[in-house]
Amino acid sequence: GQNIDQPTEMTATEGAIVQINCTYQTSGFNGLFWYQQHAGEAPTFLSYNVLDGLEEKGRFSSFLSRSKGYSYLLLKELQMKDSASYLCAVSYQTGANNLFFGTGTRLTVIP
Amino acid sequence: ETGVTQSPTHLIKTRGQQVTLRCSSQSGHNTVSWYQQALGQGPQFIFQYYREEENGRGNFPPRFSGLQFPNYSSELNVNALELDDSALYLCASTSGGSGNTIYFGEGSWLTVV
Repeated sequence: GQNIDQPTEMTATEGAIVQINCTYQTSGFNGLFWYQQHAGEAPTFLSYNVLDGLEEKGRFSSFLSRSKGYSYLLLKELQMKDSASYLCAVSYQTGANNLFFGTGTRLTVIP
Repeated sequence: ETGVTQSPTHLIKTRGQQVTLRCSSQSGHNTVSWYQQALGQGPQFIFQYYREEENGRGNFPPRFSGLQFPNYSSELNVNALELDDSALYLCASTSGGSGNTIYFGEGSWLTVV
């Protein structure tokens, strides 16, 4: 891949806030996606960032800094059902959907 | 529900055999791509098809090949199966262009024994 790095595992408490970080190679950057993937299921789209700043969508927000090659996914008011893998994926080509994925961050929400 | 459907959902093949996986993309989506996801890893890009032509390929050998049909449905073919080909194979579709959401199907679980 293109050095898409994210933590392997995280644990957080129900009702809390958790931030999942992702760093990537900046050269040729064309957009960043976050996906949620429950065990044994396909990834589901959460967010897309192409410009710097914060995109908020309900309990989930995603931030991008293109100059730093950095993004984070913020999950608020955690629920047990949020236990899943969160995948950071970067596009390096205009008009293409060949994404480079990180290995995913497995989030466990505990009571 | 993403509108992307794949078949079969699960299958078991023997080393050396050939397999064909199928994908029906979301209505109006002319761009489809295939990914391989090994256990505990993120998906890896295999190739992309746009209007029946391959227009992008990842680091996969030629025994991984594909087709896209006029209705934009697609096939992934893998010849001479190896044990390491055991993985979840994901199809993704989009209407093309930058910034368009990429939708994944439920995937096909392939086990090679």
